[in-house]
Amino acid sequence: DTAVSQTPKYLVTQMGNDKSIKCEQNLGHDTMYWYKQDSKKFLKIMFSYNNKELIINETVPNRFSPKSPDKAHLNLHINSLELGDSAVYFCASSQIRADTEAFFGQGTRLTVV
Amino acid sequence: AQSVTQLGSHVSVSEGALVLLRCNYSSSVPPYLFWYVQYPNQGLQLLLKYTSAATLVKGINGFEAEFKKSETSFHLTKPSAHMSDAAEYFCAVSGKGGKLIFGQGTELSVKP
Repeated sequence: DTAVSQTPKYLVTQMGNDKSIKCEQNLGHDTMYWYKQDSKKFLKIMFSYNNKELIINETVPNRFSPKSPDKAHLNLHINSLELGDSAVYFCASSQIRADTEAFFGQGTRLTVV
Repeated sequence: AQSVTQLGSHVSVSEGALVLLRCNYSSSVPPYLFWYVQYPNQGLQLLLKYTSAATLVKGINGFEAEFKKSETSFHLTKPSAHMSDAAEYFCAVSGKGGKLIFGQGTELSVKP
């Protein structure tokens, strides 16, 4: 039973399209995150939701819009996709306490052509 | 601001040799530190974490790390490398709101 699952695993799309990535966690955590991993494998936080409330928004273009319908789900919608959006996007969840580890999904590899 | 620096983007060892992956942190508050491993085309898996309980932390798969405040370091070691240890390793510090601030990553190669 997967703890953090995200779909799809691969996404290939054309510039200008709109796409969504979905994430679900069954760990009972109160906080969910989106991280972006670039082509050099560098990982950076994009967003964080705690109990459905946005608490972190790290200077991400407003073409990216996260939505959390409930504590167990966090989706990422991307409008007007650009070549530079190509990356691996990871969903993660944890309790908001700083000493607890985050659990990661398998990642969504987005390729914009 | 908190940050993490991993020295060496690529480390290569022979099977059976010592693995040493270096991580230095910067933090204005007592840090919580983590090591994660990423196998190809997979997500990140926690190896171990430091939360101030003990300076020597043991993790999964025979890995351990020692927190040294005087050196602001949290290096990852394993006495004997296996082929299956080949992966990308990330050191991270916990920031506001539970977010993780990652180092640049170190790719570990293991030669037969």
